[in-house]
Amino acid sequence: TQLLEQSPQFLSIQEGENLTVYCNSSSVFSSLQWYRQEPGEGPVLLVTVVTGGEVKKLKRLTFQFGDARKDSSLHITAAQPGDTGLYLCAGGETSGSRLTFGEGTQLTVNP
Amino acid sequence: DTAVSQTPKYLVTQMGNDKSIKCEQNLGHDTMYWYKQDSKKFLKIMFSYNNKELIINETVPNRFSPKSPDKAHLNLHINSLELGDSAVYFCASSQNGLFGGELFFGEGSRLTVL
Repeated sequence: TQLLEQSPQFLSIQEGENLTVYCNSSSVFSSLQWYRQEPGEGPVLLVTVVTGGEVKKLKRLTFQFGDARKDSSLHITAAQPGDTGLYLCAGGETSGSRLTFGEGTQLTVNP
Repeated sequence: DTAVSQTPKYLVTQMGNDKSIKCEQNLGHDTMYWYKQDSKKFLKIMFSYNNKELIINETVPNRFSPKSPDKAHLNLHINSLELGDSAVYFCASSQNGLFGGELFFGEGSRLTVL
C-alpha cells in the first residue's frame, strides 16, 4: 500500500487568513483527490487532479498536483468559518485498485 | 433521496456481542467499500466489492465479514466485538472503483463497544 502524509494535522486560523495544506508521498499516484468532511457526515469530494503539474481552482480553493505526481497542495485564500472541516487527500494507486487516504488536516476558521 | 445510506447511525453494545451494519446505494455504482475511521480521523479501507465480488480484503480480523447480496448492497457483520472495534464505519460506492474514481460516502455508523 502506498502511503500519504498530510500536514499540518491541525490548523486554527482567523477569518480572512490564507492557508496551505500539504499531502506528500514517496510513491507516484495515478490521481489525487481532495475531500472535505464535516462532523457527523461522510467525506465529500472537492476535486480530482490527474496530470503532473495540474492546477485546479474552486472559488477560493486552489489545488495543485506535483510534477512527479507524488505530492499535492490545497491553498485556501481568505478563509471563512464555513471552510471549517477535516480535509483529506486521497491518492489513486498506480495499480488502479484503491484510494489511499492521508491522515487528514482539521481546519478551524475562527470568526 | 440519499445516495449512500447506512444503518444504524449509532450502535452501542457490549464486548463479545455480534452486530451488523447495513449499506445501500441508489447510484447504480458497480463498486462498494467499507472504511474504518478511528479516533484520530484516519480512514482505512477494509473491504471492496465490485459487482458483488470481493476485490479488496485488507488485513482485517476474521470477525469482520462483509456480504454483498447484490451490487446495490454491502453489509458488514462483526462477531465477538472488542473494545478496539469502536470507530466510525463508512460505507462508500464508486462508479468504477478499479480506477480510483470518486467515492460517495454514507453518513457513517458510529460503533461504541463497552
